[in-house]
Amino acid sequence: QLRESGPGLVKPSDTLSLTCTVSGGSVSDTSFYWGWVRQPPGKGLEWIGSIYSGGGTYYNPSLKSRVTISLDTSNNQFSLELRSVTAADTAVYYCARRLNPDHWGQGTLVTVSS
Amino acid sequence: EIVLTQSPGTLSSSPGERATLSCRASQSVSSNYLAWYQQKPGQAPRLLMSGASSRATGIPDRFSGSGSGTDFSLTISRLEPEDFAVYYCQQFSSSPTFGQGTKVEIK
Repeated sequence: QLRESGPGLVKPSDTLSLTCTVSGGSVSDTSFYWGWVRQPPGKGLEWIGSIYSGGGTYYNPSLKSRVTISLDTSNNQFSLELRSVTAADTAVYYCARRLNPDHWGQGTLVTVSS
Repeated sequence: EIVLTQSPGTLSSSPGERATLSCRASQSVSSNYLAWYQQKPGQAPRLLMSGASSRATGIPDRFSGSGSGTDFSLTISRLEPEDFAVYYCQQFSSSPTFGQGTKVEIK
């Protein structure tokens, strides 16, 4: 299982930070990518990026300059940082296992507003 | 970036009918790297097909996928009430992208 946590409200120009806690599996498992997908209200899905415990992070080219995804193996978590946010970053953010996710978190709504 | 275009945008059908959803890629995608998802309101997406024609765990056999190259399809042989939802295709052979979705609604 995966569960997202983090602030539901972020101010414009600030950094959005979310954590995904994994249970029933290990983020150290080199079989899987761990990543983030977002969905603006009423719109479609957008892959943000993924990390692989064997080494390597892969980001959506359109977001690459603002995104960092990292692993915390001691807590079995992985995290998302999205810098310099605007209202266009308002979305439900999902954490997920694999590039073609077979396990998803329940999603967390992050609103960018002053 | 590989752009995926799904059609139709909305499909109005009745329970028991057959539904065929299309996904067209802007460049060739290996069928091993084409997936389909179902999403219901307020829920996370659910993986239906992993690889263009391989059902994910627990997916009923009324769902089937096919295609190659740039043209892929998802077929629901007989719509059940729980199948009315939004469906997305995704490619992950390069930087992953999703189609814009097809909504299957009750006629």
